[in-house]
Amino acid sequence: SQTIHQWPATLVQPVGSPLSLECTVEGTSNPNLYWYRQAAGRGLQLLFYSVGIGQISSEVPQNLSASRPQDRQFILSSKKLLLSDSGFYLCAWLQQWGGDKAFFGQGTRLTVV
Amino acid sequence: GNSVTQMEGPVTLSEEAFLTINCTYTATGYPSLFWYVQYPGEGLQLLLKATKADDKGSNKGFEATYRKETTSFHLEKGSVQVSDSAVYFCALYHYNQGGKLIFGQGTELSVKP
Repeated sequence: SQTIHQWPATLVQPVGSPLSLECTVEGTSNPNLYWYRQAAGRGLQLLFYSVGIGQISSEVPQNLSASRPQDRQFILSSKKLLLSDSGFYLCAWLQQWGGDKAFFGQGTRLTVV
Repeated sequence: GNSVTQMEGPVTLSEEAFLTINCTYTATGYPSLFWYVQYPGEGLQLLLKATKADDKGSNKGFEATYRKETTSFHLEKGSVQVSDSAVYFCALYHYNQGGKLIFGQGTELSVKP
């Protein structure tokens, strides 16, 4: 079956520290992968998406970056966190033809202090 | 570029009232359209979808029709229940335009008994 793993579930990091959030997918190949941020009372903001290994599209210029070192692995990173990076981060995958639903990870609650 | 606009919430209704949540989109061609729902404390899950013009998606008493002429995909339900209280997201996926999956800002629905 198809599953998506995202970790950690919660994270508290000091300002200026690095960040690495990992997302892995099982049960599918060559998926589209996505990172979103969901702020309280606001919608899902698309941060990055990838249609293949090494292919990253950035939607919003910011302090974050993404990488896809393997077909089913998507990593969200930062070299130096800002207070404004706090939020709820969601990873998702979708088959490339897009006819079916997207699968979401459980999310990571990041608090930068 | 592609975009999705939803009516602002929160929307508060009495049980058995009629629900409409408006969603309009901007895209060239024929994207796939989705409604996702996020119940309190839970992750996003697909509610319904439509992949071509004039398609009607339906699930759990909810319906939405893909209207190419008005670029709309409004969500409707004839009689809401307290258990329908959730945040509803309209989403768009365009296979032919880079694989981006974008969401509206979400509409919070609160149904009172």
